[in-house]
Amino acid sequence: GAVVSQHPSWVICKSGTSVKIECRSLDFQATTMFWYRQFPKQSLMLMATSNEGSKATYEQGVEKDKFLINHASLTLSTLTVTSAHPEDSSFYICSAVNPGTGAYEQYFGPGTRLTVT
Amino acid sequence: SQQGEEDPQALSIQEGENATMNCSYKTSINNLQWYRQNSGRGLVHLILIRSNEREKHSGRLRVTLDTSKKSSSLLITASRAADTASYFCATDGQNFVFGPGTRLSVLP
Repeated sequence: GAVVSQHPSWVICKSGTSVKIECRSLDFQATTMFWYRQFPKQSLMLMATSNEGSKATYEQGVEKDKFLINHASLTLSTLTVTSAHPEDSSFYICSAVNPGTGAYEQYFGPGTRLTVT
Repeated sequence: SQQGEEDPQALSIQEGENATMNCSYKTSINNLQWYRQNSGRGLVHLILIRSNEREKHSGRLRVTLDTSKKSSSLLITASRAADTASYFCATDGQNFVFGPGTRLSVLP
């Protein structure tokens, strides 16, 4: 089955620093990837849609200058949390769409837990 | 991880009719969520129901939760063509593993 990886799986950083999270589709090419965040015991919230070779589309209320998304290749999308603050501490999950199946099946990565101190 | 399994896998109804989808899960939960996914788009959160709640409403959506049976249902009333999408349930947990979803088609 299709596999999506994320790196790192967890990260602790100091307030004011930037953190980059990678999302990779390991055995298929993903023209579209999605980024979600989840607070403890809360629902998964869609942050943005990342399309290879073009600018990401952000959901309402998500700061695009705060959460930089780069989808430079068909197997890699990165999310950079810039000037992180404690309120950015969350669980970030990416997913990748495998267009080869024709059904837009979405495969999720294992997530990255970010803690900002 | 907590996986929900939706039933039926596909459902086709006429506009104006009600659509009911079911979800079953295996372990104890704190909450259960329903999501919608339009073709080629990301998942959109619809509604969250907590384990101590039995029913919740949001617009044309009604969600029920039966923790004794480890099941939930999503009812969409007076369906519209725009409701055509796949619907997924998921329970709380660190890693999301979604079931195959219910593909709903609302015919005009």
